[in-house]
Formats: sequence, C-alpha cells, structure tokens
Amino acid sequence: AQSVTQPDIHITVSEGASLELRCNYSYGATPYLFWYVQSPGQGLQLLLKYFSGDTLVQGIKGFEAEFKRSQSSFNLRKPSVHWSDAAEYFCAVGEGSQGNLIFGKGTKLSVKP
Amino acid sequence: SQTIHQWPATLVQPVGSPLSLECTVEGTSNPNLYWYRQAAGRGLQLLFYSVGIGQISSEVPQNLSASRPQDRQFILSSKKLLLSDSGFYLCAAEYNEQFFGPGTRLTVL
Repeated sequence: AQSVTQPDIHITVSEGASLELRCNYSYGATPYLFWYVQSPGQGLQLLLKYFSGDTLVQGIKGFEAEFKRSQSSFNLRKPSVHWSDAAEYFCAVGEGSQGNLIFGKGTKLSVKP
Repeated sequence: SQTIHQWPATLVQPVGSPLSLECTVEGTSNPNLYWYRQAAGRGLQLLFYSVGIGQISSEVPQNLSASRPQDRQFILSSKKLLLSDSGFYLCAAEYNEQFFGPGTRLTVL
C-alpha cells in the first residue's frame, strides 16, 4: 500500500540555521512527490513537486528537495531558515501529476530567534 | 493559479445536527475536486473526490457525504454530526496540481 512517513513530528531550529525535513514514501511505481506548507489556520500551499528529470527540485521561498530512489526519500531543505518559515510541512505522494494525494502526518517547524 | 473559496471559515455544531460545507472554485472549467479532513495528529485524509458534475467517489466509509451540483461547486454534508467529525476540512481543486482552499474549522460539541 502507498504510504508517506514524516518521522519528525516537531522540529525547532534557530533563525539562519539550515533545515532538513525528512520524508520517506512507499510506492510501487515511480512516484509523483510534493511538499506543501500550511500556516496556522490556513490551507495548504505547494512548495515544490517532483515528477521526473532532475532529482534536485527547486521550489518557492528558497526551498529545495532531493528525490533519492534508492532511499525512497524526498527530503526538503533550506540553507537558511527565516522566522516566517514557521509552519507545518506536509510531504505527499500521488499516482500521477493528477489524482489522489497521500499525505504524511506533517512536521511542525518552530523557529527560534 | 486558481482561487478556491470555502464557507464557513469556522463552525461549532452540536452532536446530531446537520452539516453543509461549501466549496466554490474560480478558474478553468471541469477541475477534479477533493475534500480532505485534517484531524489533530493524523495528517490529511482524503474523504471524497469528484471528476465531474454528479460524480463522487468516497475514499473512506463515514458519516459524511458529498455532492457536486455544479461544475465548480463541491458540498460536504452530514445528516447527523458525530463528535469524531470535528476537524479542519480542506477543499482542493486540481489543475495540473492541487490548489487548496483556506479550510473550514469544524468543532462538534
């Protein structure tokens, strides 16, 4: 069965520090992978997506993610975190570029001044 | 990009009362539409999706139902709410990727 695991429920980093949020997936075919961000009380905003091609994808707000097939991972990174990055981050896998998405349970990011 | 409206933004309802949440979409016609529920500590769960007017697929058995009376209108309903229906409900529309609405916070007391 398809599944997405985000092992870290809550992460706290200092402003200006680097960030890596982990995501592992279980999927039978080549996955379509997504990262979304949700600010408190808000809907979800797409940060980036991977469909094919270059395994390092760039997204909005300075985020990037790397698809590693051998590790079934799609970790999200940012070299220098800003206080406004505090939010909850969701990794998702889809059957294709369209279709049902399966989400991880999310990682809440807190940023220390 | 697309604009997705959800109404109401917040709702407090007693157990056993009916429910109607509305989602309307501005943009290209005939989008795929989705209802997700986000419960505390449980991530997002897909409830329903629709590929066209009157076409609804349910992902999980539950106390809720969905309808799509118009191309860009997606409604989530219940005849009698349960405590376990509390959560944050998100509507999404798909145009090459899924765009999410602002959500409705439902509290059942």
